[in-house]
Amino acid sequence: DSGVTQTPKHLITATGQRVTLRCSPRSGDLSVYWYQQSLDQGLQFLIQYYNGEERAKGNILERFSAQQFPDLHSELNLSSLELGDSALYFCASSVDWNTGELFFGEGSRLTVL
Amino acid sequence: SQELEQSPQSLIVQEGKNLTINCTSSKTLYGLYWYKQKYGEGLIFLMMLQKGGEEKSHEKITAKLDEKKQQSSLHITASQPSHAGIYLCGADNPIKAAGNKLTFGGGTRVLVKP
Repeated sequence: DSGVTQTPKHLITATGQRVTLRCSPRSGDLSVYWYQQSLDQGLQFLIQYYNGEERAKGNILERFSAQQFPDLHSELNLSSLELGDSALYFCASSVDWNTGELFFGEGSRLTVL
Repeated sequence: SQELEQSPQSLIVQEGKNLTINCTSSKTLYGLYWYKQKYGEGLIFLMMLQKGGEEKSHEKITAKLDEKKQQSSLHITASQPSHAGIYLCGADNPIKAAGNKLTFGGGTRVLVKP
């Protein structure tokens, strides 16, 4: 158990809908990361937050947004969903903002029908 | 942007045999991380390499970063069924002030036959 909690574990929705994925980092970790994993694209970095502020941005679509709250949990919002958004979405956390030693949650599997 | 290529993409080994996975970067590596992912689960950090020529071992897994810092290898000795999974290499963002956009390779799927 990494200590990172993600909900929901599985989510099935329809195209055009909006979903919110939630992540609770390890106790004491200030940085949260979101990654998308799909068969064709592999593991892609989406966005990083550190202590409530956006720290780094990757290939995150404009239809997607994220935030980190004062209690350090984070949410990833996916809107106007398309079939191609079906993927495993991982949250990871770390103590610091510039380390590559990340602790990953078990992921939220999103299926868009 | 930095790209990481892993080889092979997949391999099947007999239990007890050794195996090696390679990770090649298109640019100089400033930090190289190895992770393992069990099918459908999250990634688990294995080890980090930063210096050219560095070698680290944990139990039966050894990772090396070559002198030129553009390639790393992961070697498993006397493989066991517990070594099965997907191994991914990840590279640090050389511009630290820009946060940590850890870039990952495509992964190597390992299956260990008992």
